[in-house]
Amino acid sequence: GAGVSQSPSNKVTEKGKDVELRCDPISGHTALYWYRQSLGQGLEFLIYFQGNSAPDKSGLPSDRFSAERTGGSVSTLTIQRTQQEDSAVYLCASSLVGIQYFGAGTRLSVL
Amino acid sequence: RKEVEQDPGPFNVPEGATVAFNCTYSNSASQSFFWYRQDCRKEPKLLMSVYSSGNEDGRFTAQLNRASQYISLLIRDSKLSDSATYLCVVRRGGGTASKLTFGTGTRLQVTL
Repeated sequence: GAGVSQSPSNKVTEKGKDVELRCDPISGHTALYWYRQSLGQGLEFLIYFQGNSAPDKSGLPSDRFSAERTGGSVSTLTIQRTQQEDSAVYLCASSLVGIQYFGAGTRLSVL
Repeated sequence: RKEVEQDPGPFNVPEGATVAFNCTYSNSASQSFFWYRQDCRKEPKLLMSVYSSGNEDGRFTAQLNRASQYISLLIRDSKLSDSATYLCVVRRGGGTASKLTFGTGTRLQVTL
């Protein structure tokens, strides 16, 4: 597709369950980013992949959060044992030469 | 102190007004600067890059003051459609794909 695609667009889960969020970046973009945005808050950086380099995981809030990027393309963000404070919009962005293009996000609600 | 700081607003202005947003950044090693726009419940989208000499795109003017570590965005002749949150964004380092740091945004509401 032409833009960054994220799925699902909405996810409702119960506290303690694991969830997987998917990001399909713009074809050819070497960098991929995950952010979290809580209601009325700014973007919180989570993790960044650049080509084949080791990812920058400095923004992951706890060891319940992990992400992979397979084949330099699609990325999955996994949250284990979800907590209510994990409820937020999870945004993925990709870039090639500096400008980041965002997907529409996954709205996660943990009940 | 946050790496990028913005006045959260909201700025409520009438249509046709001129409004200016400011942003400060704490890391003097920051090299690239942007303004993004985020509509309610939508993803952020690039509005414009900010160049050292200042740059203009239609009704929008961005300026950078490296000495004061200060970025501004001026919107002239505000339209209702300008209502959104404006995010100040800074990139540290020279790699074009390196991490961006986002401010929490300034909310603008343009009214009739």
